[in-house]
Amino acid sequence: QSLLTQPPSASGTPGQRVTISCSGSSSNIGRNTVHWYQHLPGTAPKLLIFSDNQRPSGVPDQFSGSKSGTSASLAISGLQSEDEADYYCAAWDDSLNAWVFGGGTKLTVL
Amino acid sequence: EVQLVESGGGLVQPGRSLRLSCAASGFTFDDYAMHWVRQAPGKGLEWVSGISWNSGRRGYADSVKGRFTISRDNAKNSLYLQMNSLRAEDTALYHCVKSRGYYYDTSGYSFDYWGRGTLVTVSS
Repeated sequence: QSLLTQPPSASGTPGQRVTISCSGSSSNIGRNTVHWYQHLPGTAPKLLIFSDNQRPSGVPDQFSGSKSGTSASLAISGLQSEDEADYYCAAWDDSLNAWVFGGGTKLTVL
Repeated sequence: EVQLVESGGGLVQPGRSLRLSCAASGFTFDDYAMHWVRQAPGKGLEWVSGISWNSGRRGYADSVKGRFTISRDNAKNSLYLQMNSLRAEDTALYHCVKSRGYYYDTSGYSFDYWGRGTLVTVSS
């Protein structure tokens, strides 16, 4: 059971906008920044968003992050087939003194 | 180009030990904290352990505390994970991961580069 809760699946059609939620608590998301990763099976995970809403260089602006209270969201606009992947949120947990991940959301482009 | 190449995985019996290595290149290794993150078959990502830039601070997930030891050799640009008393539930793909900053336990220092992983299978 992950400390950060994500929906197991999400879907959308090409060009659509989808959002993926990540729900935590006061010991993780409520106090610390959230980071998002994209993982295509068989490849190394990739950092998409850091510190709630910052994009690393090279990540297109179709990806955006936000946070409010103990929840965060990743939005993907202009959905493309190559966006089909697993998406994970992560944050530092002050109570566990450990990094915690969400269970992952499998995004399907219909 | 940042490269992280893991090695040392394999099939091991429960209760035995294994040592994973990660060769890093393409960045100033001793300027950054490093981590191990694993993914069990069909499961999500799980943070295993982290170590600060100068080995001064180290941390472990509760699931491996007391059994796993993380270390690094900055002269060799290498990260290690000594895994003792292995259990079936340790079976996973283990990724070597670079931090964006000096310390493994700073919330703003996300993981920015990942290796492709080395597979550890614990089974009799």
